[in-house]
Amino acid sequence: DTGVSQDPRHKITKRGQNVTFRCDPISEHNRLYWYRQTLGQGPEFLTYFQNEAQLEKSRLLSDRFSAERPKGSFSTLEIQRTEQGDSAMYLCASSLVGGVNTEAFFGQGTRLTVV
Amino acid sequence: AQSVTQLDSQVPVFEEAPVELRCNYSSSVSVYLFWYVQYPNQGLQLLLKYLSGSTLVESINGFEAEFNKSQTSFHLRKPSVHISDTAEYFCAVTRIQGAQKLVFGQGTRLTINP
Repeated sequence: DTGVSQDPRHKITKRGQNVTFRCDPISEHNRLYWYRQTLGQGPEFLTYFQNEAQLEKSRLLSDRFSAERPKGSFSTLEIQRTEQGDSAMYLCASSLVGGVNTEAFFGQGTRLTVV
Repeated sequence: AQSVTQLDSQVPVFEEAPVELRCNYSSSVSVYLFWYVQYPNQGLQLLLKYLSGSTLVESINGFEAEFNKSQTSFHLRKPSVHISDTAEYFCAVTRIQGAQKLVFGQGTRLTINP
């Protein structure tokens, strides 16, 4: 296992279409986070999972957004009826909570462009 | 709630010159502190972190940061930069307990000129 992987790396979609992103965390990690990063800004927290349970959602996560982590392994983030304001880099991170070191490992992100 | 302020959005320096990237944070509870680096079209990589103990922490590539609790700062320094250090640098904090979600600053773009 070489780290957190995200798919696709890039996605161009027309406004109004649905898109789904996938994140595969480091295999033994029990926490998985989604962040959104717009141009010139730092990443902003969207939601996180502890195993398969979604424990917190940011106010940034409108009703058009849904995330799942069905078996406590990979996660998907779906955006329905995309808007131009959804254009951003979507970052996934994972960590192992309960150990001595607290460190989140990030994937390379999925860059979404809504045209 | 936590917040992070990176005081400089862009820092241009010449190669082999020293650099300091400033970070101040606000929190009513104890936090862990991090610096992440982001190269173009890449995700974030952890550069260094402060969890506890010595307030001066170092990375393997020559960066260091000092946690100053009284000034609520965690500035990043390097005595001599290289072209390869060109990147965006993000300071972040997380609560020690709970969700441990990261709160990031807006980033500082470090540009190294030859």
